[in-house]
Amino acid sequence: NAGVTQTPKFQVLKTGQSMTLQCAQDMNHEYMSWYRQDPGMGLRLIHYSVGAGITDQGEVPNGYNVSRSTTEDFPLRLLSAAPSQTSVYFCASSYWTRPREQFFGPGTRLTVL
Amino acid sequence: SQQGEEDPQALSIQEGENATMNCSYKTSINNLQWYRQNSGRGLVHLILIRSNEREKHSGRLRVTLDTSKKSSSLLITASRAADTASYFCATRTSTGNQFYFGTGTSLTVIP
Repeated sequence: NAGVTQTPKFQVLKTGQSMTLQCAQDMNHEYMSWYRQDPGMGLRLIHYSVGAGITDQGEVPNGYNVSRSTTEDFPLRLLSAAPSQTSVYFCASSYWTRPREQFFGPGTRLTVL
Repeated sequence: SQQGEEDPQALSIQEGENATMNCSYKTSINNLQWYRQNSGRGLVHLILIRSNEREKHSGRLRVTLDTSKKSSSLLITASRAADTASYFCATRTSTGNQFYFGTGTSLTVIP
């Protein structure tokens, strides 16, 4: 199993550009989520999904969109990048019907100029 | 913010010593988890403790949970240089579908 994969590993954008961060998992997990990690702030939840076709907002959803058309994929879209979105982004997945750990991807380091 | 907080923010110890870090959270929880993050990497799950459990062990790890004080502690015994990492607690609330992470403790183990 590949686990949770994320692409790209690094990305530089200019203010106003849009892009999609990709996340995929091959463990048949119902729950998938996106976090951003900023120095001194820990991880903050952006959006999450408890199954295909179901998404919801986390703590910091503004400026981001998600969709979940399949169990495996959970892309995160930045609509119009801003310098405040410079961060490291992590995707995670887990089973949902029983309390289990989350599995994290390796992260995407995004810089918005 | 629903985030929890870890204490201390940073901890430096000699190899072989024990390391203790604490986590406080704000709401009723279903379970609490501890994760490790090595520099530049994703988080790796260490241990999960349910809200009806008070203590749990896994190898050199010991976790306690006090739901009346909304706090947890992680003890790493006989630390090794390879334990150098950041450690985060995460809670799943009893009413919601969200996980909340603390701000992390940066542990340095000096060989």
